[in-house]
Amino acid sequence: QMQLVQSGPEVKKPGTSVKVSCKASGFTFTTSAVHWVRQPRGQRLEWIGGIVVANGDTDYAPNFHERVTITRDMSTSTAYMELTSLRSEDTAVYYCATELGSGNAFDIWGLGTVVTVSS
Amino acid sequence: QSVLTQPPSVSGAPGQTVTISCTGSSSNIGAGYDVHWYQHLPGTAPKLLIYANINRPSGVPDRFSGSESGTSASLAITGLQAEDEAVYFCQSYDSSLSGWVFGGGTKLTVL
Repeated sequence: QMQLVQSGPEVKKPGTSVKVSCKASGFTFTTSAVHWVRQPRGQRLEWIGGIVVANGDTDYAPNFHERVTITRDMSTSTAYMELTSLRSEDTAVYYCATELGSGNAFDIWGLGTVVTVSS
Repeated sequence: QSVLTQPPSVSGAPGQTVTISCTGSSSNIGAGYDVHWYQHLPGTAPKLLIYANINRPSGVPDRFSGSESGTSASLAITGLQAEDEAVYFCQSYDSSLSGWVFGGGTKLTVL
């Protein structure tokens, strides 16, 4: 069964960094692209960026490009999203999602990782 | 800011048909970028329902259908069932924002 399993909840202090992982199984990770999307409570989903697994090419949303790094480890079929200089507004549920061939739609999503930024 | 606009909520009785709209602009839907629809139940992973405006992934019932015209798209659900109660959101690409954008989500209540 195709799935993305994300790392557990994080509580961080303002100014620090967080790194969330997303482990793929049940499909060919190397031919996919992985995206990261977040949803603050009560707000709409917001795209953060994505990575083409095969060659590591990344694309970041302008709002995040100075603070985010998306990487992947093909040996473990895992993608990572690191966000730096955290502030309270970064408190949200962070999702990874993958493109598997339904056009450029996000075919499979993870369950989400809650990141809380609080002093 | 270019975003996709959805009604906050819709409702219908079992067996009825509901339609959820997704209104965009000339920099996303109106520019020809595909619209995708997802179903999201609390505590679960969002599920792809419709991709590229009108296509259903394998396993999605044909009660779900999508359409697109101009700067808007719609998701129709026929023969409503209690299990359809969820949040539905649309997605497209926006050229002015250089990235993916999402609708605010529509909560479907089955009466």
